[in-house]
Amino acid sequence: SQELEQSPQSLIVQEGKNLTINCTSSKTLYGLYWYKQKYGEGLIFLMMLQKGGEEKSHEKITAKLDEKKQQSSLHITASQPSHAGIYLCGADMHADGLTFGKGTHLIIQP
Amino acid sequence: GAGVSQSPSNKVTEKGKDVELRCDPISGHTALYWYRQSLGQGLEFLIYFQGNSAPDKSGLPSDRFSAERTGGSVSTLTIQRTQQEDSAVYLCASSLFGRVAEAFFGQGTRLTVV
Repeated sequence: SQELEQSPQSLIVQEGKNLTINCTSSKTLYGLYWYKQKYGEGLIFLMMLQKGGEEKSHEKITAKLDEKKQQSSLHITASQPSHAGIYLCGADMHADGLTFGKGTHLIIQP
Repeated sequence: GAGVSQSPSNKVTEKGKDVELRCDPISGHTALYWYRQSLGQGLEFLIYFQGNSAPDKSGLPSDRFSAERTGGSVSTLTIQRTQQEDSAVYLCASSLFGRVAEAFFGQGTRLTVV
């Protein structure tokens, strides 16, 4: 089974609307990373969460870590076309290398 | 350059041929990772180099896959006798402090085996 489950798999949102992407772990989270991927641009690091209850923001993107629920949520406020892309959560679950979810494909409709 | 550089950006090869993918990490980064991203499969860890230590090869899917890192800098991922299931985007990342640090990713090499 997938160690990091992301939901939804894809999301179509009208420009200006808010949205939330979730990342749920099958194991205790000691660190959770959010990345954004655009074709031809590789992965762009957004933020890292390390403590339960921690919340960080990057422009209009906010992420929270709920240690008890073993879950992180990424929230985008007033979505813009520039937010479109694939959002990936990653966690340090093994000795080396990050484990990633399958990603959430976000499409912003004008 | 300032970021992780991968080449080629796209590679189409015939089944059975060998391919080499190159990664230039950020200067000074001691940790280097290779990942594979297949359609619908998410990111799959392949191999990890940390300084001069023996690499962690636990993620390599078969013995057709190998990687080396020369002089603690440039890395080459080699796939021998390519198969169609090897088609994927191969991503390289580097980080300054190792496994829990913020890893910077390259743009990837899109490999298509026909």
